[in-house]
Amino acid sequence: TQLLEQSPQFLSIQEGENLTVYCNSSSVFSSLQWYRQEPGEGPVLLVTVVTGGEVKKLKRLTFQFGDARKDSSLHITAAQPGDTGLYLCAGARGSARQLTFGSGTQLTVLP
Amino acid sequence: DAGVTQSPTHLIKTRGQQVTLRCSPKSGHDTVSWYQQALGQGPQFIFQYYEEEERQRGNFPDRFSGHQFPNYSSELNVNALLLGDSALYLCASTPVTRNRAGANVLTFGAGSRLTVL
Repeated sequence: TQLLEQSPQFLSIQEGENLTVYCNSSSVFSSLQWYRQEPGEGPVLLVTVVTGGEVKKLKRLTFQFGDARKDSSLHITAAQPGDTGLYLCAGARGSARQLTFGSGTQLTVLP
Repeated sequence: DAGVTQSPTHLIKTRGQQVTLRCSPKSGHDTVSWYQQALGQGPQFIFQYYEEEERQRGNFPDRFSGHQFPNYSSELNVNALLLGDSALYLCASTPVTRNRAGANVLTFGAGSRLTVL
C-alpha cells in the first residue's frame, strides 16, 4: 500500500507552461520533502516543509504543505527543459528517521 | 567534499546468488539508510544504520541484511536473489544532528543498479 499518492504519474508539457504536481495521503506527516531525480542519479532534495499551511518558493518552484499536514503540492511556473525529471514527495512520521516516498511524477518539458 | 559514494554502479547476478553493495556516506554524516527503487516507482525504505546497529527496518525479508563499520560506511547484502530484487539500490546518509528537521535531511548516492537474471 502506497501511503503517499502522487498525481499525475506522467506529465509532458511545452516550455513556458505552468504545472502542478500533487502528493496526497490519509496519514499525517511531521515533515514532507520534495526531491528531483534524473536518470542515473539519486534523488536530490529540493525543499522540506514542516508546518501545516507552509509555502516555500525556490525560484520558479512553489511548494505548499496542507493545513492538516497530509498533502502537498509543487507548482512550477514557466517550465524549462532543465526541469525535466522524476519528482518525488517523501514524508516523515513522528520522530522516525525514515522517509516514505510517493511513486513519483515523471515530468518532461519539451523545447 | 565527496558526497555519498556507492559501488558497484551496475551489476548482473543470477537467481539464487548473493550480492554485496557498498556505501560511503557524506563527510560529517553518521547515519546510513538503504532504499530499493524499482523501475518507475519511488524508493522503498529497507533499513537504517546508526552507531553500527540496525535502528529501523522497512518491510523487507531477512534475505536483506546490512552492516555499518566504525568509519560509518555501510554494506547491503541480499541472499538468495530473486528476479524481483532487480532494482536501483540507493544509499542515503544523514548529518550528525538531532533536531527534528535535520534528522530527515537525506543525501543520496547515485545508486547501484542490480539486475537479476
